[in-house]
Amino acid sequence: GDSVTQMEGPVTLSEEAFLTINCTYTATGYPSLFWYVQYPGEGLQLLLKATKADDKGSNKGFEATYRKETTSFHLEKGSVQVSDSAVYFCALLMNSGGYQKVTFGTGTKLQVIP
Amino acid sequence: NAGVMQNPRHLVRRRGQEARLRCSPMKGHSHVYWYRQLPEEGLKFMVYLQKENIIDESGMPKERFSAEFPKEGPSILRIQQVVRGDSAAYFCASSPPGASNQPQHFGDGTRLSIL
Repeated sequence: GDSVTQMEGPVTLSEEAFLTINCTYTATGYPSLFWYVQYPGEGLQLLLKATKADDKGSNKGFEATYRKETTSFHLEKGSVQVSDSAVYFCALLMNSGGYQKVTFGTGTKLQVIP
Repeated sequence: NAGVMQNPRHLVRRRGQEARLRCSPMKGHSHVYWYRQLPEEGLKFMVYLQKENIIDESGMPKERFSAEFPKEGPSILRIQQVVRGDSAAYFCASSPPGASNQPQHFGDGTRLSIL
């Protein structure tokens, strides 16, 4: 079946450091890929998305590029802030039988220290 | 402009009681998905419903758990005779009809604690 593998956390960075959170996937077809962010006590918020190979999703300084050849969708940010501390989930979406099936990674906790 | 609304935000039950979790999808959305998140883990798919129909319940435990999405009113996830292992955050997501590769929108979840 479909699966998503994320680098394990927690990841601890100093403010203004460069962030990379790795995400790779396996899927039988051509999925859409997403990054969601979850702040403490809250639900998941869509951070960015890419729907086909070589698409780059970007939002709030975060970027991720859909790499079909390496089946990856790594999340990057050039300069993190304390407010970026949260759990980040990589997810893939497949259309199966006319409806969506979303598979999530286990999440990577990011802690940014001043 | 309400998003996906879940209530209650927090629910405490004693072992053996019933828990009812409610989810109102975004306006215009007719597809509802329920997920469970255990502490320090990712989200696991439970069930997918459209109005009055269960489409996919492959992720839902066979016993004690049920879900519905009636013609009128919110979707309900019902857990009967709760046990300690049911303690988790339960998230609802919705999407519009005909959505192909558009993301699901999530509520803030219900955090269920079993005493």
